[in-house]
Amino acid sequence: KQEVTQIPAALSVPEGENLVLNCSFTDSAIYNLQWFRQDPGKGLTSLLLIQSSQREQTSGRLNASLDKSSGRSTLYIAASQPGDSATYLCAVDTGGFKTIFGAGTRLFVKA
Amino acid sequence: DTEVTQTPKHLVMGMTNKKSLKCEQHMGHRAMYWYKQKAKKPPELMFVYSYEKLSINESVPSRFSPECPNSSLLNLHLHALQPEDSALYLCASSQVSGGQETQYFGPGTRLLVL
Repeated sequence: KQEVTQIPAALSVPEGENLVLNCSFTDSAIYNLQWFRQDPGKGLTSLLLIQSSQREQTSGRLNASLDKSSGRSTLYIAASQPGDSATYLCAVDTGGFKTIFGAGTRLFVKA
Repeated sequence: DTEVTQTPKHLVMGMTNKKSLKCEQHMGHRAMYWYKQKAKKPPELMFVYSYEKLSINESVPSRFSPECPNSSLLNLHLHALQPEDSALYLCASSQVSGGQETQYFGPGTRLLVL
């Protein structure tokens, strides 16, 4: 059974700091891994999608990496801003329309 | 248009009520999903419609009933809900293309069952 774990559960950093969010999964047989952002009480916004054959994806200040063999992904946020404060979720697509989410990392960036 | 819309945004209902949640997308996606999310928990998949074919998470109780009138619309019919069903209900859509899919989520409907 696929399990997705995110560490840390919560993180508070000063503005401008670079940070890394971690995601691990137990079964390496995945189609892709996706990072989402969720603001309180809101829906999910897709940030980056990494196919199983890819090692990383970049979008602006965000960089996501994927190491399937070790069951790990990281989301790197450069020069964090208060507007980055949100919950970040990673999700793995195991095929058959089964997307398994991690519990998320709640990020707070202090001005 | 990369938007998934959901109505209503908020819903309060009693345990004897019947209500429906609606979801709509015009991106031509052929897969649509319902998720349930409790506070500070990850979303949990409830139903998937792909090319109008339904897949069910077997742990979802029968008081939730999905309906897909066409490829752009997805409803979730609610009947005789329990207070523990109070949650954020998220709809998503994606294009089915051999694993190269990005799910687009709507803003959600916040449901409170009294």
